[in-house]
Order: sequence, then structure tokens, then C-alpha cells
Amino acid sequence: KQEVTQIPAALSVPEGENLVLNCSFTDSAIYNLQWFRQDPGKGLTSLLLIQSSQREQTSGRLNASLDKSSGRSTLYIAASQPGDSATYLCAVRPQGGSEKLVFGKGTKLTVNP
Amino acid sequence: EPEVTQTPSHQVTQMGQEVILRCVPISNHLYFYWYRQILGQKVEFLVSFYNNEISEKSEIFDDQFSVERPDGSNFTLKIRSTKLEDSAMYFCASSDGTNAYGYTFGSGTRLTVV
Repeated sequence: KQEVTQIPAALSVPEGENLVLNCSFTDSAIYNLQWFRQDPGKGLTSLLLIQSSQREQTSGRLNASLDKSSGRSTLYIAASQPGDSATYLCAVRPQGGSEKLVFGKGTKLTVNP
Repeated sequence: EPEVTQTPSHQVTQMGQEVILRCVPISNHLYFYWYRQILGQKVEFLVSFYNNEISEKSEIFDDQFSVERPDGSNFTLKIRSTKLEDSAMYFCASSDGTNAYGYTFGSGTRLTVV
């Protein structure tokens, strides 16, 4: 059974700092991995999608990497801003015909001005 | 940018009552999903729907839950007899099925059962 773990559970940084959020998954047989942002009481906003054949994806100040064989992904946020404060969720779509996403519990990021 | 729209944003219901949560997926998407997130917990898969039938469901999706696509645009989740433990945020999502763009989620319906 696929399990997704995100470390740390919470992170507080000063504005301007570069930071890395970690995601690990137990079964390397995945179609893709998706990073989401969730603001308090709100929905999920897709940030980056990495296909299983890809190593990384970039969007603006965000860069996500994938090492499928070791079951790890990282989300790198450059020059963090207070507006980046949110919970960041990692989700994998397993291979084998299942369509569901398996989520981690998220990392709650606070960027202090 | 296309959006998945969910209504209502917040619903309060009494235990034992039926509720219907509504979603309008992205118009050219073919696959539709419901997920839920109990406060402080992980987002959990409930059900996927394709070609007017359930394609996959989790153990959470028992007989008190049902889904329907009553017309060409809406996708609904019905909970027949709500329980206190059904209180959660319910998310609708859709995808085009190509695996190229991932999933698009709605902003959620917060269901509170009292």
C-alpha cells in the first residue's frame, strides 16, 4: 500500500530565504507526482506535476525534483515571500490502473516578514 | 483558466439528514473524483467516475454514499444519512485522463454535521 510522508510537518522561515520541502513515498511504481498548495480552509491549487519519466519541473520560483527509484521528491522555493505561507501537499498517482491520488499530510509553511 | 466549481462552500446539516454536494468539473474533462479531508488529516480518495459509472472507490465510500452525473455539466455526491464523522471538507476534482496535466481540484465544500 502506497504511503506518502512529508517532512517537516511545519516550517517557519524569514522572508527571502530559500527552502526545501520533502516528500517520500514507499512504492516507486508511480505515474506522476503532483505538488499542491492549500490555504487555510480553502481548496487545493496545483503547483507542479512531474511525470514518472521526468526528473524535475520548474514554475517561477518553484522547482520540484523527483527521484523515483529512491521514492523522494523535493519542492524548492526560492526567495520566499509572506504570500508563500500555506500548507504544501505532495500526492502520487500509483501505477497499476488506479486513478486515485495518495496524499501526504503536508508541510505548513510560514514565511515571516 | 478553467476551474472546478463546488457549491455550497459550507453546509451545516443535522445528523441523519441527506446532503447533496455539487460540482461542475472542467468542461472537456472526462474523469471526475471526490476526495475528503477531515480536519487535521490527510486528503483521502473517495471515488472516481468515468463514462457514467464508478471506476474506483475506496473503503470509505460505503452504501451511504452515491455519485451521479445528472446532466452534461454537474457531478454530485450524495450522503444519505449523515453521521457526525462525515464532517469534513469535500473536494471535487476532474482530469482529462491523459495523465499530462494532473488533476484540477475545486475549492471544496465544508460539511458540518451537528
